[in-house]
Amino acid sequence: GAGVSQSPRYKVAKRGQDVALRCDPISGHVSLFWYQQALGQGPEFLTYFQNEAQLDKSGLPSDRFFAERPEGSVSTLKIQRTQQEDSAVYLCASSLGVAASTDTQYFGPGTRLTVL
Amino acid sequence: ILNVEQSPQSLHVQEGDSTNFTCSFPSSNFYALHWYRWETAKSPEALFVMTLNGDEKKKGRISATLNTKEGYSYLYIKGSQPEDSATYLCAFPYSGNTPLVFGKGTRLSVIA
Repeated sequence: GAGVSQSPRYKVAKRGQDVALRCDPISGHVSLFWYQQALGQGPEFLTYFQNEAQLDKSGLPSDRFFAERPEGSVSTLKIQRTQQEDSAVYLCASSLGVAASTDTQYFGPGTRLTVL
Repeated sequence: ILNVEQSPQSLHVQEGDSTNFTCSFPSSNFYALHWYRWETAKSPEALFVMTLNGDEKKKGRISATLNTKEGYSYLYIKGSQPEDSATYLCAFPYSGNTPLVFGKGTRLSVIA
């Protein structure tokens, strides 16, 4: 079956531009997670949805970052006025249930964002 | 601040060698420990979710053990193959029913 997909796979933005990153989770998965992976680091949690409800956004680094999942399926991570420090791989993951700590998360291939 | 430490950072082994690496985590308030494999240009792939002290899980040539009292998990690969070359990540929830904190990973290269 189809896994988690993300688009675009690569994005180059000029500093100050807005970008939107899309995640299509596995059909029927309740929970959806966004992570940011900077070079040489492990993925770092950004935000988390159960269906359309954003339960935790404590990892969003600034108010320039915004995520939504309006119909409880596809999610979009938006970054306004991009800065060079936003350059990273953005990973999306989904899981079937609501147990964020113990459910297996299924990851997409990531979007590599480069801000010039 | 919750720290998940992985060692070594990178590892080169010959094809056919067995190898292992470590994930260390705070031993208080344990909920679960996740292992993932991330091959270049692919999606991270779930290997194991471990929840019980003394847990031992196996998937083909890869196995993992868990010691929640001392706060570590070992991942073993028996008879490494070039296709095992990847970054191996462990992750730990910082409290019950919360998202995961990842280590920086161990980058394994298997030389044919």
